[in-house]
Amino acid sequence: GAGVSQSPSNKVTEKGKDVELRCDPISGHTALYWYRQSLGQGLEFLIYFQGNSAPDKSGLPSDRFSAERTGGSVSTLTIQRTQQEDSAVYLCASSLWGAVQETQYFGPGTRLLVL
Amino acid sequence: AQSVTQPDIHITVSEGASLELRCNYSYGATPYLFWYVQSPGQGLQLLLKYFSGDTLVQGIKGFEAEFKRSQSSFNLRKPSVHWSDAAEYCCAVGAVNGNKLVFGAGTILRVKS
Repeated sequence: GAGVSQSPSNKVTEKGKDVELRCDPISGHTALYWYRQSLGQGLEFLIYFQGNSAPDKSGLPSDRFSAERTGGSVSTLTIQRTQQEDSAVYLCASSLWGAVQETQYFGPGTRLLVL
Repeated sequence: AQSVTQPDIHITVSEGASLELRCNYSYGATPYLFWYVQSPGQGLQLLLKYFSGDTLVQGIKGFEAEFKRSQSSFNLRKPSVHWSDAAEYCCAVGAVNGNKLVFGAGTILRVKS
């Protein structure tokens, strides 16, 4: 079946602009995660959704970052007033349930470059 | 707070040689432990995971990992490396009753023929 998909695959933007990153999880997966990977760093947790609610937003680095999930499916990560330090690969993952022992399936990522 | 250390940023091994990638974690109790692989142009794929029980776990693609509580380690091994194993390998931990994963910085494996 289809895996996790993300769009766009690449995004180049100018400092100060807003960007939206989209994630389509595997159908039927109730849990959805956003991570980011900066150059030379490990994946960094951003936010976790169970259904449409986000019980854990602890990884969002600033109030410029927000995310929503609608219909228990698609999620959008929005970065307002982008900064150069936001440049990274943003990865989305989904799992059947929101328990850490459930395998998380990752999308291919969106590579964001802020000029 | 949980943390994961992968001491080797890059490792080069010859095709057919054995491989061991190191992973150390810091956590108050025994966490759930994972190894993922990221090949060029592909997303992260789960290789194996450890929750409890037998400390030697088998994964896909001929990989195995051993949990050593006394050393807070979960090293990944493969007896004979193939050129197709060249990729980035990421160790991760998750808290029991938690949901998110905490990742190490990754180890990039290069295989020379």
